Amino acid sequence: GENVEQHPSTLSVQEGDSAVIKCTYSDSASNYFPWYKQELGKRPQLIIDIRSNVGEKKDQRIAVTLNKTAKHFSLHITETQPEDSAVYFCAATYAGGTSYGKLTFGQGTILTVHP
Amino acid sequence: DGGITQSPKYLFRKEGQNVTLSCEQNLNHDAMYWYRQDPGQGLRLIYYSQIVNDFQKGDIAEGYSVSREKKESFPLTVTSAQKNPTAFYLCASSITAGGASNEQFFGPGTRLTVL
Repeated sequence: GENVEQHPSTLSVQEGDSAVIKCTYSDSASNYFPWYKQELGKRPQLIIDIRSNVGEKKDQRIAVTLNKTAKHFSLHITETQPEDSAVYFCAATYAGGTSYGKLTFGQGTILTVHP
Repeated sequence: DGGITQSPKYLFRKEGQNVTLSCEQNLNHDAMYWYRQDPGQGLRLIYYSQIVNDFQKGDIAEGYSVSREKKESFPLTVTSAQKNPTAFYLCASSITAGGASNEQFFGPGTRLTVL
C-alpha cells in the first residue's frame, strides 16, 4: 500500500518569511495529492491539491509542486502570517475509474508563525 | 462548517465498555470515512464505506466496527477489544468514491477518553 512521509514535523518561521513542507510517497500509481490545514481544535480543511498531470499549482500565497519521477511533492507558503499557524497534512491516493479516494496521510507538520 | 456532524464532542468511557460515535452528513455524499488522530501520527484510516450496506477495513480496524444502513449515517463503535482507544476521532465524507473529485469534508471530531 501507499506510504507517505512528511517533513519537517515542526516548523517555526517569522511573519513574512516563506515556509516549505515536503512529502514523499511510495506508490507510483498515486495521482492525486491534497494538502489539509487543521487549526487548533478545528477540523482539517482542504487548502490546495494537485493532480499528476501538472507540476505546479498556485492559489494566492500557497503553491504546491510535484515531482513524479522522484515521487515527492511540496507545499510552499509565501509571506506567512500568524493565521497560517496550524498543523498541515499532505496526502496521496490514486483517483480514477472505479477506484475510491482512500487517502494516505503524512504525519503532519506543526507550523508556527511568529509575529 | 455545516454538512457533516459528529456527536458527542467529548466522550468518556470506562474500560471494558463499548461506545458508539455518531457521524451524519447531509451533503448527499457517497463515501464516508473514519479516521483516528494521535499526536505525531497524522490521520489513520479505521474504516471506509463507498455505498450503503458496504464498508471495508482501513489500516487500523482492529477493535472497531461500523455500519452503513443509510447514506447519511456512518456510526463507529469502539469495542472493548480496542487496546488503546483514547484518541481524537474524525469522520469524513466525499462526493464520490474515486473519479474526478476526491475532496474529503471532515466533521468536527469526537475526543474519546478511556478512564
